[in-house]
Amino acid sequence: DGGITQSPKYLFRKEGQNVTLSCEQNLNHDAMYWYRQDPGQGLRLIYYSQIVNDFQKGDIAEGYSVSREKKESFPLTVTSAQKNPTAFYLCASTFGTGYGYTFGSGTRLTVV
Amino acid sequence: DQQVKQNSPSLSVQEGRISILNCDYTNSMFDYFLWYKKYPAEGPTFLISISSIKDKNEDGRFTVFLNKSAKHLSLHIVPSQPGDSAVYFCAAESLGGYQKVTFGTGTKLQVIP
Repeated sequence: DGGITQSPKYLFRKEGQNVTLSCEQNLNHDAMYWYRQDPGQGLRLIYYSQIVNDFQKGDIAEGYSVSREKKESFPLTVTSAQKNPTAFYLCASTFGTGYGYTFGSGTRLTVV
Repeated sequence: DQQVKQNSPSLSVQEGRISILNCDYTNSMFDYFLWYKKYPAEGPTFLISISSIKDKNEDGRFTVFLNKSAKHLSLHIVPSQPGDSAVYFCAAESLGGYQKVTFGTGTKLQVIP
């Protein structure tokens, strides 16, 4: 069964720590995306990648980093520079324009 | 700059009636418009899309209408069912370059049995 797997589902981070959220897809999609959802603000784009070894900053990239070493994988690192990291993080991929995104089930990150 | 706007944060509809969710946009260069449905603590699921060259697209109980002159689109759900209760996001994207989708802030639909 094809899809996107995000892990972990819940993640707790201490102040000053970096954490990495995993995103893996077996849909053979070229493009992958990371979004952040906060209450009342919809989905905001953090980073996106069209092809392996290439990625672009989205609207709120500060305090985040990504890598795209394999087509199937697009991990997101939330660094200590991200001042307000508590949020619901969504990974997505797509064949292309008009086909719609396939989303993972999300990771809820909480700073403790 | 909110290029895609959903001005109604919530909507309540009786089961069996029509649900109409609205969305406005400002960028006339968008080529596709999409609707997603999202349950709490889950990722959104793609519902239906429409190309900017069309004015209507239908898929079962879901129909999307596009009015380019008004920069407005709407999602109609007929008949509404309790399982349709969710947050609905309107989204828009442009052809060319990297595919980036701009999302609205969502409308929470409650279908009352």
